[in-house]
Amino acid sequence: NAGVTQTPKFQVLKTGQSMTLQCAQDMNHEYMSWYRQDPGMGLRLIHYSVGAGITDQGEVPNGYNVSRSTTEDFPLRLLSAAPSQTSVYFCASSRYTTSYEQYFGPGTRLTVT
Amino acid sequence: SQQGEEDPQALSIQEGENATMNCSYKTSINNLQWYRQNSGRGLVHLILIRSNEREKHSGRLRVTLDTSKKSSSLLITASRAADTASYFCATDAGTSYDKVIFGPGTSLSVIP
Repeated sequence: NAGVTQTPKFQVLKTGQSMTLQCAQDMNHEYMSWYRQDPGMGLRLIHYSVGAGITDQGEVPNGYNVSRSTTEDFPLRLLSAAPSQTSVYFCASSRYTTSYEQYFGPGTRLTVT
Repeated sequence: SQQGEEDPQALSIQEGENATMNCSYKTSINNLQWYRQNSGRGLVHLILIRSNEREKHSGRLRVTLDTSKKSSSLLITASRAADTASYFCATDAGTSYDKVIFGPGTSLSVIP
């Protein structure tokens, strides 16, 4: 199993541009989530999903959209990038009906200039 | 505001010593988890303790939970240089298992 994969690994955007961060998992996990991590801080939950077709907002959802059309994929869309969205983004998944252990991807380092 | 807060923010110890990190949270929870993050990497799950449990062990890790004080501690015994990492507690929001919220973490340095 590849586990949780994220693409791209690095990205530089200009203010106002939009882009999609990709996240996929091959463990048939129901639960998927997106976090951002800023220097010296923990992870802040952006959006999460408990299954295909179901998404909900986390702590810091503004400026981000998600969709969950399949169990495997959970893309995160930045609508109009701002310098405040410069961060490292982590995707995670879990089989939360039996275990709440989250498996994390390697992260995407995003810089908005 | 974050649900969990770790203490201390940073900890430096000699190899072989024990390391203790604490986590306090604000609302009732269903379970509490501890994760480790090596520099620049994704997080790795260490251990989960449920709200009806008081202590749990996994190898050199010991986690305690005191729901009356809304706090948890992670003890790493006989630390090794490879334990150098950031450690985070994560809790659900109590009313829902779905939102998993992380604290700001404790940065542990183990000096060989």
